[in-house]
Amino acid sequence: AQSVTQLDSHVSVSEGTPVLLRCNYSSSYSPSLFWYVQHPNKGLQLLLKYTSAATLVKGINGFEAEFKKSETSFHLTKPSAHMSDAAEYFCASGGFKTIFGAGTRLFVKA
Amino acid sequence: KAGVTQTPRYLIKTRGQQVTLSCSPISGHRSVSWYQQTPGQGLQFLFEYFSETQRNKGNFPGRFSGRQFSNSRSEMNVSTLELGDSALYLCASSSGTGYSEQYFGPGTRLTVT
Repeated sequence: AQSVTQLDSHVSVSEGTPVLLRCNYSSSYSPSLFWYVQHPNKGLQLLLKYTSAATLVKGINGFEAEFKKSETSFHLTKPSAHMSDAAEYFCASGGFKTIFGAGTRLFVKA
Repeated sequence: KAGVTQTPRYLIKTRGQQVTLSCSPISGHRSVSWYQQTPGQGLQFLFEYFSETQRNKGNFPGRFSGRQFSNSRSEMNVSTLELGDSALYLCASSSGTGYSEQYFGPGTRLTVT
């Protein structure tokens, strides 16, 4: 069975510092993995998608994620946080039934 | 391409009533999934429709039902509303093939009083 675990419910960074949001997955087969972002009172927006073409995936707004099979991880990073990055982030494992993690709320301090 | 649209955006209902939510997917997408989002339970999968057939179902009671029309538009119905049904209901569309990504609508905020 698939499962997705986001290791932090909240992450707080200062503007201009790096962002790391952690996600571990569990799957009996090579998964398709996604990161989504949700701003307050909005739907989810796709940030990036991994489908085995390359282990380092670049997404929108300067975000990227690295697939590490040995660690069953798919962590999301950004070199320099911006105030507009403050939102909730969801890691998801795909297939016909997408499984979402519990979410990580990112706070960005000025 | 127009995005996923959901109507209405906000809804207030009374316990015991029923409600119907509507979702129009991105043109060409054949799969529509519905999710319930609450602060306590997070994002929970309700069901997925593909080409007018329910293909996947989450662990929700039978009061939650859905359907999909030939133009891929989908409706979700909740009967005999309970206070705990208050949530943001999100609809997502995708091509429905393989491991395709989902595109989400803005959601319908349902409040049950």
